Amino acid sequence: QVQLVESGGGVVQPGGSLRLSCAASGFTFSNYGMHWVRQAPGKGLERVAFIRYDGSNTYYADSVKGRFTISRDNSKNTLYLQMNSLRGEDTAVYYCVRSDTLHYFDYWGQGTQVTVSS
Amino acid sequence: EVVMTQSPATLSVSPGERATLSCRASQSVSISLAWYQQKPGQAPRLLIFGASTRATGIPARFSGSGSGTEFTLTISSLQSEDFAVYYCQQYNNWPLTFGGGTKIEIK
Repeated sequence: QVQLVESGGGVVQPGGSLRLSCAASGFTFSNYGMHWVRQAPGKGLERVAFIRYDGSNTYYADSVKGRFTISRDNSKNTLYLQMNSLRGEDTAVYYCVRSDTLHYFDYWGQGTQVTVSS
Repeated sequence: EVVMTQSPATLSVSPGERATLSCRASQSVSISLAWYQQKPGQAPRLLIFGASTRATGIPARFSGSGSGTEFTLTISSLQSEDFAVYYCQQYNNWPLTFGGGTKIEIK
């Protein structure tokens, strides 16, 4: 069955960096676009970044553009999110999400908590 | 950006009753509309895509309808496990956007 397991979350000071990973299994990872979606405490869902199945194209929310970088290693079935210049408003649970070719989100990881605080 | 507006924000329903949730798009998204369910402490789960197609394993009591700018999620007879927050999402235009959610609580 499809599994997405995030790791790398934690507490970081404002201005700091963090790298999230998502290990995928149960499907052909290299055939699917992947997203990071986040949810701030008590808030709704916000799509953060997207990468095409082959890594040839990426897309970012305006709120993270220039600070976050999404990447993937299809040989390791792993998705990454490099987060730099972190701010308090980046505090959230970050979900690794697989998308259908039509870009609805068919499988979600369990999420990893990122807290930006001094 | 397509703004998705869900109503009501909170819906109080008794078990066994019918629940009707609304989602409105600021411009047409055709039928590129998905619904998700999120229970406390859990990741969202895909319920409906293509406005009306149930995802794998989703019970028949969940149904979606609509096209263009107006969409509805109906739960025909609420079970205890259905009390949760529901989100709509459009995928017709980039950036992909979510509604703010509707919480179904026990009446």
